Amino acid sequence: QVQLQESGPGLVKPSETLSLTCTLSGASMSSFYWTWIRQPPGKGLEWIGYIHSSGTANYNPSLKSRVTIAVDTSKNQFSLRVNSVTAADAAVYFCASGGWSLDLWGRGILVTVSS
Amino acid sequence: EIVLTQSPGTLSLSPGERATLSCRASQSVSNTYLAWYQHKPGQAPRLLISDASRRATGIPDRFSGSGSGTDFTLTITNLEPEDFAVYYCHQYGGSLPYTFGQGTKLEIK
Repeated sequence: QVQLQESGPGLVKPSETLSLTCTLSGASMSSFYWTWIRQPPGKGLEWIGYIHSSGTANYNPSLKSRVTIAVDTSKNQFSLRVNSVTAADAAVYFCASGGWSLDLWGRGILVTVSS
Repeated sequence: EIVLTQSPGTLSLSPGERATLSCRASQSVSNTYLAWYQHKPGQAPRLLISDASRRATGIPDRFSGSGSGTDFTLTITNLEPEDFAVYYCHQYGGSLPYTFGQGTKLEIK
């Protein structure tokens, strides 16, 4: 069964860096697109960006200066880094397969921003 | 940025009934690049429809999508108990960022 699973710290301090990893199991990451989405508490879904397995990435312009998405196909993983986090970055973070419609999602990971 | 407005916010229906969910875009969505997802608490969202009307693999035919330009609809006929969830539309055409609607909660009446 093909699955995606998010992992990483559930608590990040303000001004620090949020780092999450998404691991694909049951399939290979090669030649495909991979996306990060987030949902702040009580709010809608926000598209963060996507990366191709070749390493080419595109980001939401509103987050572009603080966000990096990377891929490691040898580990079947892709990652998200958000620099200089504030309370506004607190959210459930989802990873998904696809660069346009999103075929498969992870269950999400809750990230809290607090000192 | 294309803003997607979903209506209604909450839809209360009974099993066996028909649900009609609307997604309206602030500007035309290129090439009908619009998807619908179902999300239940604690679960991964699930792709139902892509390209406005293409059912994803394994999705029952009681789910159908239609529309173009700025107006899109997800229709669920003969509601089953497992269909009660939150539904999101998502546009992925044109310039970035891709965007989502705020969701419609389909609840049991």
